[in-house]
Amino acid sequence: AQSVAQPEDQVNVAEGNPLTVKCTYSVSGNPYLFWYVQYPNRGLQFLLKYITGDNLVKGSYGFEAEFNKSQTSFHLKKPSALVSDSALYFCAVRDRGFQKLVFGTGTRLLVSP
Amino acid sequence: NAGVTQTPKFQVLKTGQSMTLQCAQDMNHEYMSWYRQDPGMGLRLIHYSVGAGITDQGEVPNGYNVSRSTTEDFPLRLLSAAPSQTSVYFCASSYTGTGGTYEQYFGPGTRLTVT
Repeated sequence: AQSVAQPEDQVNVAEGNPLTVKCTYSVSGNPYLFWYVQYPNRGLQFLLKYITGDNLVKGSYGFEAEFNKSQTSFHLKKPSALVSDSALYFCAVRDRGFQKLVFGTGTRLLVSP
Repeated sequence: NAGVTQTPKFQVLKTGQSMTLQCAQDMNHEYMSWYRQDPGMGLRLIHYSVGAGITDQGEVPNGYNVSRSTTEDFPLRLLSAAPSQTSVYFCASSYTGTGGTYEQYFGPGTRLTVT
């Protein structure tokens, strides 16, 4: 069965510093991996995805994520955090053989001025 | 393009009442799904559909029914509301055809309270 772990409930970072939000996954085959962001009282917005190819993928708002097959990880990164990046971030995985998307429990990112 | 729309935005029900949460998309996506979001538990899949006339259960289907008579619409029915169904409900859709990369597009959510 597919599963996703986001080991940190919350990540705190100062504005201007780099940020990392961690995600590890488990699937039986090759994965499709996704990051979504949720702002207060809003739906989820797609940030970026890994399907195949380059292990470093770039997405919206300056975010990027690195796919590491040996460590089964897909950590979300940004070189310089903004206060406006404060939100809830979800990692998700889909086994290529199945339609269903499985989400992690989410990590709250707080960027302080 | 309205994307994924959900109605109502807010709803309060009494225990035992039934209701339907509406979801529609105008992107001609085959795949549609319903999630519930609860604090500390992320999003959990309730039901999903891979096309008109085809539905299947997700992780937490008990107490909910779905049907998919058209590509556009995927309503979620609560048969007899219980306080445990107090949650925020999200509908999502994605393209799953050849060349698709399967990211899901989410609606704005319905906040349901059952008293």
